[in-house]
Amino acid sequence: GNSVTQMEGPVTLSEEAFLTINCTYTATGYPSLFWYVQYPGEGLQLLLKATKADDKGSNKGFEATYRKETTSFHLEKGSVQVSDSAVYFCAFSGGYNKLIFGAGTRLAVHP
Amino acid sequence: DAGITQSPRYKITETGRQVTLMCHQTWSHSYMFWYRQDLGHGLRLIYYSAAADITDKGEVPDGYVVSRSKTENFPLTLESATRSQTSVYFCASSESQTGKNIQYFGAGTRLSVL
Repeated sequence: GNSVTQMEGPVTLSEEAFLTINCTYTATGYPSLFWYVQYPGEGLQLLLKATKADDKGSNKGFEATYRKETTSFHLEKGSVQVSDSAVYFCAFSGGYNKLIFGAGTRLAVHP
Repeated sequence: DAGITQSPRYKITETGRQVTLMCHQTWSHSYMFWYRQDLGHGLRLIYYSAAADITDKGEVPDGYVVSRSKTENFPLTLESATRSQTSVYFCASSESQTGKNIQYFGAGTRLSVL
C-alpha cells in the first residue's frame, strides 16, 4: 500500500554541517512530493514541494529532487543552522487532496 | 485572526467523557482534515472533508465523529474518550484545485485522557 519511509532520528549535527534526510515512498502513479517542517510547539508548515519527476523543490537553503527511478525525495541542506532544529516530515499526495506522511525525522543542530 | 485556528490548545479529560476539539479556517478552503500525531507514527489521518456536509474516514477513524455544517468549521468529537486517544491533534485545510495538495496546519491541540 501507499507509504513513506524516512530515516530514523534524531539526527544531531553541528552548525554549518551538511544535512541529508532520506525519504522513499511507495505509491501508485506519480504523486506530488512534499517536505513539511514542524518547529517546537507549532503545527506543520510546508518547506518545499515537487510535482513531477526530476523537479527540484527548494526553500530556505533546503533542496530535494523528485527521483522517479528510485522513488526518493531526499532532503538536503549545505550548511545547517541552530534555527533549523525541528522535525521534518516527508509526504506525498494520496488523492482527494490527502497527504500520506512519513514518521518524521527530528533534527537537532548544536552551536 | 486569519488562518486556521484550533481550540483548545491543551485539554485534560477523563476516560469515558465526551470531548470536542474545534477547528476554524478563514480561507474558505474546501478540504479540511484531522490528524493525530503520535511518537513513531508521524501523522495519521482520522477524518477529512471535501466540502460542507461531505466527510469521509481516514486511516484511524474509530472512536471519533466529525461534522461540517459550515465550510469554515470542522469539529472533531471523541464520543467516549479512551487513554489510547491521548495524542496531539492537528487540523489542516487545503484548496480544492487539483494538484495543489498543499495543506495548512493549525497549531495543534494536546489532549491527555486520564
